[in-house]
Amino acid sequence: TQLLEQSPQFLSIQEGENLTVYCNSSSVFSSLQWYRQEPGEGPVLLVTVVTGGEVKKLKRLTFQFGDARKDSSLHITAAQPGDTGLYLCAGARSSARQLTFGSGTQLTVLP
Amino acid sequence: SQTIHQWPATLVQPVGSPLSLECTVEGTSNPNLYWYRQAAGRGLQLLFYSVGIGQISSEVPQNLSASRPQDRQFILSSKKLLLSDSGFYLCAWKRLALSYNEQFFGPGTRLTVL
Repeated sequence: TQLLEQSPQFLSIQEGENLTVYCNSSSVFSSLQWYRQEPGEGPVLLVTVVTGGEVKKLKRLTFQFGDARKDSSLHITAAQPGDTGLYLCAGARSSARQLTFGSGTQLTVLP
Repeated sequence: SQTIHQWPATLVQPVGSPLSLECTVEGTSNPNLYWYRQAAGRGLQLLFYSVGIGQISSEVPQNLSASRPQDRQFILSSKKLLLSDSGFYLCAWKRLALSYNEQFFGPGTRLTVL
């Protein structure tokens, strides 16, 4: 069974601060997705990274895929209360039809 | 554009009662379909997935079953609910032509078994 470990599990910060969420595995993934989920709703896809070392930016969010394609990080600059939510990483093996999800990081940004 | 629907949004059922949750996808053909369960504030546990009508793969032995009677319809069922079946159930779809396994989720069903 592939495992994706996310850290931290919980993060509470003040508006304007920066933060980084990590997603680590001992397995190699062909692609990795990041999702954000709000209470009572389904996860929404933020980004997909597919190349080792790839960096993608989405406004104040920066996503990086590790060189060995075993880990990823999400960095948020100048966090806002609207960034509050559960952040999930999910990895895919090239031969598999399913995703392996991380355990999630619950982010709370206080105004 | 593609949309995915789940119903009901919330459900409260007694232990031992049957269950039927429905998921439908619009705007795409022959998608892969998935059922997940999520504990509060945690990651997703894959329950079932389907690559076509009548084709179901089970990931976790349990009290639940799934069926795909039509191309864009996926149903999660149980004959007798257990307390441990409570949770947030999510349906998702993936285009076969999309190579990166990106999945798109429905709004979920909150199930409480009493």
